[in-house]
Amino acid sequence: GQNIDQPTEMTATEGAIVQINCTYQTSGFNGLFWYQQHAGEAPTFLSYNVLDGLEEKGRFSSFLSRSKGYSYLLLKELQMKDSASYLCAAPNYGQNFVFGPGTRLSVLP
Amino acid sequence: NAGVTQTPKFRVLKTGQSMTLLCAQDMNHEYMYWYRQDPGMGLRLIHYSVGEGTTAKGEVPDGYNVSRLKKQNFLLGLESAAPSQTSVYFCASSYGQQALDGYTFGSGTRLTVV
Repeated sequence: GQNIDQPTEMTATEGAIVQINCTYQTSGFNGLFWYQQHAGEAPTFLSYNVLDGLEEKGRFSSFLSRSKGYSYLLLKELQMKDSASYLCAAPNYGQNFVFGPGTRLSVLP
Repeated sequence: NAGVTQTPKFRVLKTGQSMTLLCAQDMNHEYMYWYRQDPGMGLRLIHYSVGEGTTAKGEVPDGYNVSRLKKQNFLLGLESAAPSQTSVYFCASSYGQQALDGYTFGSGTRLTVV
């Protein structure tokens, strides 16, 4: 099945830029999601990349390279409220999406 | 407010007891999912449904059963709870598997089996 890899934890300073990487197996690929999950809460949808390249949504951008099985989430002008886990999700051979273990981001003042 | 509602929010069970988790959505979504989330393991799919009256197994279906008798409801049952089923359970729904706006998740059910 799908195997997704993300860094376990990252730390950054308020106002800085941080990049969270995600690698996955490329078979049967049909897009890649990014979700944000604050501690004790449900995941919320951030972005969905279907084509290669960078998609920007305000302070958040997501990049995809389908040939390399690689994506990243870029967070700019970090705020304290951005402290959360960030999950990438890739399709499992064209079927349901499989979620990565998540990257816990801590934003320090 | 439109969304996905899960009940109950918390539950403690003794080993061997049974229970049902209820998920309700009012967005007219065809697809519904049950996930469990454990520390360091991410969200793992238990069962899912592609429409009223249908169910299918996900990654970790053993020990669970589901039913989708109405389009808006998706029930997850534990017939004989085990400590290994201690977890946070999330229900989600979407228009399709490749929905451009992603999945909408419920607030979760924290289940402890002692």
